[in-house]
Amino acid sequence: SQQGEEDPQALSIQEGENATMNCSYKTSINNLQWYRQNSGRGLVHLILIRSNEREKHSGRLRVTLDTSKKSSSLLITASRAADTASYFCATDVRGGSEKLVFGKGMKLTVNP
Amino acid sequence: NAGVTQTPKFRVLKTGQSMTLLCAQDMNHEYMYWYRQDPGMGLRLIHYSVGEGTTAKGEVPDGYNVSRLKKQNFLLGLESAAPSQTSVYFCASREVRSSYEQYFGPGTRLTVT
Repeated sequence: SQQGEEDPQALSIQEGENATMNCSYKTSINNLQWYRQNSGRGLVHLILIRSNEREKHSGRLRVTLDTSKKSSSLLITASRAADTASYFCATDVRGGSEKLVFGKGMKLTVNP
Repeated sequence: NAGVTQTPKFRVLKTGQSMTLLCAQDMNHEYMYWYRQDPGMGLRLIHYSVGEGTTAKGEVPDGYNVSRLKKQNFLLGLESAAPSQTSVYFCASREVRSSYEQYFGPGTRLTVT
């Protein structure tokens, strides 16, 4: 069953605005990852945050993790049309990190 | 490096036919995975392998079989295709000791009529 659940399911913004996506999960984790999927393509890894980290940055991406609330957020700053894609959070399960469980995904549309 | 490749890219099957999807990776990764992606369902793990000669069931293994005879290849078989197996199939691979990042192939779109 799905571990992660992204919110909102779809988001449409203008170029230059920030986009925030949220992910909630159910069980204890070792790490949480975010992936992007462009239409018709495979998933591409964006960023990983470990359970003992609270915030992580990579370029225009900022990820936070709140293990007490079992939630994470992905912030994309100064969005571009090329950021238009589906975004997925994925979690492993503590004690079984060889597998990931993906959320259902969130569709981001950045309008030029 | 080609990364993770999948063949074929598209396939149409009739109910009851069989086929094999091939995944190949050239990154010497130990772990390999097969997922299916359906609208509104995200990715669901079908089977996975933690090394050559080993396979394990994922979340939705029924109707599928897999084999990992060579480290670089992971095959997904459908013995008797059903319309419910219409989906996009993704293969992924990962190093054993790494950042846990999975590398995905471009996908195979399968339609069963």
